Amino acid sequence: DTAVSQTPKYLVTQMGNDKSIKCEQNLGHDTMYWYKQDSKKFLKIMFSYNNKELIINETVPNRFSPKSPDKAHLNLHINSLELGDSAVYFCASSSRTTTYEQYFGPGTRLTVT
Amino acid sequence: DQQVKQNSPSLSVQEGRISILNCDYTNSMFDYFLWYKKYPAEGPTFLISISSIKDKNEDGRFTVFLNKSAKHLSLHIVPSQPGDSAVYFCAASENYKLSFGAGTTVTVRA
Repeated sequence: DTAVSQTPKYLVTQMGNDKSIKCEQNLGHDTMYWYKQDSKKFLKIMFSYNNKELIINETVPNRFSPKSPDKAHLNLHINSLELGDSAVYFCASSSRTTTYEQYFGPGTRLTVT
Repeated sequence: DQQVKQNSPSLSVQEGRISILNCDYTNSMFDYFLWYKKYPAEGPTFLISISSIKDKNEDGRFTVFLNKSAKHLSLHIVPSQPGDSAVYFCAASENYKLSFGAGTTVTVRA
């Protein structure tokens, strides 16, 4: 049983396109996150949702829009893709009481050409 | 502005010996510190954590030490095993948000 799953695992697309990455967790957690791992391998928080409410929104272009239809899902939609958006995107989840202990999905490698 | 720093990009250790990974941080407001392990093409896996009010936490072969005055933490792996070969990320928590170091690649030699 996969705890945190992401689809797709790989995504290759052209500049200017709009794409979505889906994330689902079956751990019963109420907090979910999106992280970006750039070419220098740094993992940086982008967004966090708690019970479908946005609680962290780092300095991310507004072309990125997270959507949480329910506690178990957090999707990431990206409009007008740019070359610099190429990265690995990780979804994670945690319980509200132990937010520091986050469980990560396998990542989605996005390549913008 | 990196608040969590891992200054050693790589570490090579012989099987059975101790691996020591180091991490420094700058933000005094961090309340938990963690280590994550990552294999290629997988997401980071939670390994061990320590509260900012403690100085040591142990879980099997893994021990994390925290020196708040020096803003430094370390992870000891004893004994090192081939399956420990991975990238290890140090992370620190403040209000839902984890800040990560750049990672240290550990290679355990047979």
